[in-house]
Amino acid sequence: DTAVSQTPKYLVTQMGNDKSIKCEQNLGHDTMYWYKQDSKKFLKIMFSYNNKELIINETVPNRFSPKSPDKAHLNLHINSLELGDSAVYFCASSQGTSGGVGYEQYFGPGTRLTVT
Amino acid sequence: GQSLEQPSEVTAVEGAIVQINCTYQTSGFYGLSWYQQHDGGAPTFLSYNALDGLEETGRFSSFLSRSDSYGYLLLQELQMKDSASYFCATANQAGTALIFGKGTTLSVSS
Repeated sequence: DTAVSQTPKYLVTQMGNDKSIKCEQNLGHDTMYWYKQDSKKFLKIMFSYNNKELIINETVPNRFSPKSPDKAHLNLHINSLELGDSAVYFCASSQGTSGGVGYEQYFGPGTRLTVT
Repeated sequence: GQSLEQPSEVTAVEGAIVQINCTYQTSGFYGLSWYQQHDGGAPTFLSYNALDGLEETGRFSSFLSRSDSYGYLLLQELQMKDSASYFCATANQAGTALIFGKGTTLSVSS
C-alpha cells in the first residue's frame, strides 16, 4: 500500500489557469505538509496542517491555498498560475504535532508542475 | 532565521567511505535530520540526531556535535545506488517545520 500518494504526477498548464494537486496519506499521521522543490533542488516548506488546522504558513503567495477535508487529505490549490510556479511539489506527513521535528517525514512521489 | 550549509557536490568510488558535512545556524535547536533523494524520486528519511554522538544504521551513520553546530552523514562501503542528493534538515525557530539545506549531490563511480 502506498503511504503518501499524490495526483497528478505531472501537470502542464498555461499561465493564468487554476489547478489543484491532491494528496492522501494512509499512515494515520497527525500532520501533513506541502513542499516546493525548485530546479536547483532547494526544498522549501510551504504549508503544514495538523488535525485540519493550519499551523504554519510560510511566505508563499496567497494564490496558493491548502485545503484539508479530513486528517488523511491535504490538497493544494493554485490560482492564476505563473511561470515561476513551475517546480516539483511534494506532499508529506509525519506523526506528532511538532512539524515533524524528531519524527520521520514520509514524502509522496511529487507532482511536477510546468507552467507555459 | 535558521540556515544550514553543506557541500554542493561530493564524488567517490564504489567501496569507499564518504562524509557529508552540515553546519547550521539556529535560534533554538531541535536536532538534525538527514534525507536521501534519488533523481526523479522523493526524499526519504535516513536518520535523526537529537543528542551529541554517532547514530549507526547499517552502512550509514550520522553524527552531531551541538557545541560546534555541526553534523555529518557517513556512508560506508559505497555502492552505485548511493548516488543521490543528501539533505540535512533542522526545525524552524518555532519548531513547527523542517528547514532543509540545499543538498549535496553524491556521485559514486565504479
